Amino acid sequence: GAVVSQHPSWVICKSGTSVKIECRSLDFQATTMFWYRQFPKQSLMLMATSNEGSKATYEQGVEKDKFLINHASLTLSTLTVTSAHPEDSSFYICSARDRAGGGDTQYFGPGTRLTVL
Amino acid sequence: GNSVTQMEGPVTLSEEAFLTINCTYTATGYPSLFWYVQYPGEGLQLLLKATKADDKGSNKGFEATYRKETTSFHLEKGSVQVSDSAVYFCALRDNTNAGKSTFGDGTTLTVKP
Repeated sequence: GAVVSQHPSWVICKSGTSVKIECRSLDFQATTMFWYRQFPKQSLMLMATSNEGSKATYEQGVEKDKFLINHASLTLSTLTVTSAHPEDSSFYICSARDRAGGGDTQYFGPGTRLTVL
Repeated sequence: GNSVTQMEGPVTLSEEAFLTINCTYTATGYPSLFWYVQYPGEGLQLLLKATKADDKGSNKGFEATYRKETTSFHLEKGSVQVSDSAVYFCALRDNTNAGKSTFGDGTTLTVKP
């Protein structure tokens, strides 16, 4: 089946630094990717919708200048957490939408655990 | 807006017990419904789905039926195993062009031998 990868799988950084997380669709093209955030023992919260070749659409309450999203190709979206702080520590999960052949399936990446010291 | 409400956990069962995790939803239009499973430290895996009313999704002994009249998509399994211990998320996906997904809060299942 289709695979979505994320890199890195985990990252530890110092407060004030920026961290980039990559999301790749490995065997299909995804014009749309989604970024979610999951706090421990909680559900997934949609942060933004990433559209290839255009600006991302952010959910209410998500700071677009802090969480920069770039969807530069049909197989890659990146999320950059700028000037990270301890409260940004979380599990970040991406998903990619496969609409080939008239279908509409969303595949999830394995997640990236970010810890900000 | 769309919302998903699922049974609060945690749920603890003995091996071979019957499992039900309730899920109800509120949505405009006609969403697709999903159950995902998340094992510790991992991302989400699709367990099963149903795209229209009265459809039954099934996989690995789990099943759920899309009930439009009760806006429900309850997850069931006749005989659980220790390996089924995980967090289960009910979700709906908006079938408009946006394709956004909304998740329930998750239910933690622990199966004891």
